[in-house]
Amino acid sequence: DARVTQTPRDKVTEMGQEVTMRCQPILGHNTVFWYRQTMMQGLELLAYFRNRAPLDDSGMPKDRFSAEMPDATLATLKIQPSEPRDSAVYFCASGFGTSGTPTGNEQFFGPGTRLTVL
Amino acid sequence: GENVEQHPSTLSVQEGDNSIINCAYSNSASDYFIWYKQESGKGPQFIIDIRSNMDKRQGQRVTVLLNKTVKHLSLQIAATQPGDSAVYFCAENGAISNFGNEKLTFGTGTRLTIIP
Repeated sequence: DARVTQTPRDKVTEMGQEVTMRCQPILGHNTVFWYRQTMMQGLELLAYFRNRAPLDDSGMPKDRFSAEMPDATLATLKIQPSEPRDSAVYFCASGFGTSGTPTGNEQFFGPGTRLTVL
Repeated sequence: GENVEQHPSTLSVQEGDNSIINCAYSNSASDYFIWYKQESGKGPQFIIDIRSNMDKRQGQRVTVLLNKTVKHLSLQIAATQPGDSAVYFCAENGAISNFGNEKLTFGTGTRLTIIP
């Protein structure tokens, strides 16, 4: 049963600390998305990758957030330094798509990382 | 920017009854729509999707209706069960990027509670 995995599932840290969240997409998927979910804002797209290349990170605060795909089986989202307003659940999702296609495709979500910044 | 309004925000239904959740979207160029179910402590899970060349699609106990004329999407759950209690999100690929329409814009969610 193929599924997206995320680690850690929960993270509590203090303001100013670096946080790294990891995601393993479903094998064979070439598109990886990072979302943030809060009660106030709902599900927000932070960034996404196609074939490991960043396509769009316009939803991500550039000064403190960074997203990378060191290889096809690992995507990372880092926050440095973390702030209390970053507290949220961060989801990774993967799917398959081709750049330039006029339509979307299903995205498979991981279980999320619940981040609490004190 | 693109907007997806979802209603109601909460819905309580007696077990065995049917439920309907609605979404209104603003982008006439949207051509892919999807419904997700999110249970407490879990990520969103795919329920059903529909492309703009269809106006109805059915799954097991779920039906999605798409009215492109009025930009309206609905999810019907028939014969609801306690396990249907969750938050439901609609999403559409309204945010056009330079790389295609992969970006999904999500509705605000509907918390469905099934009353035994």
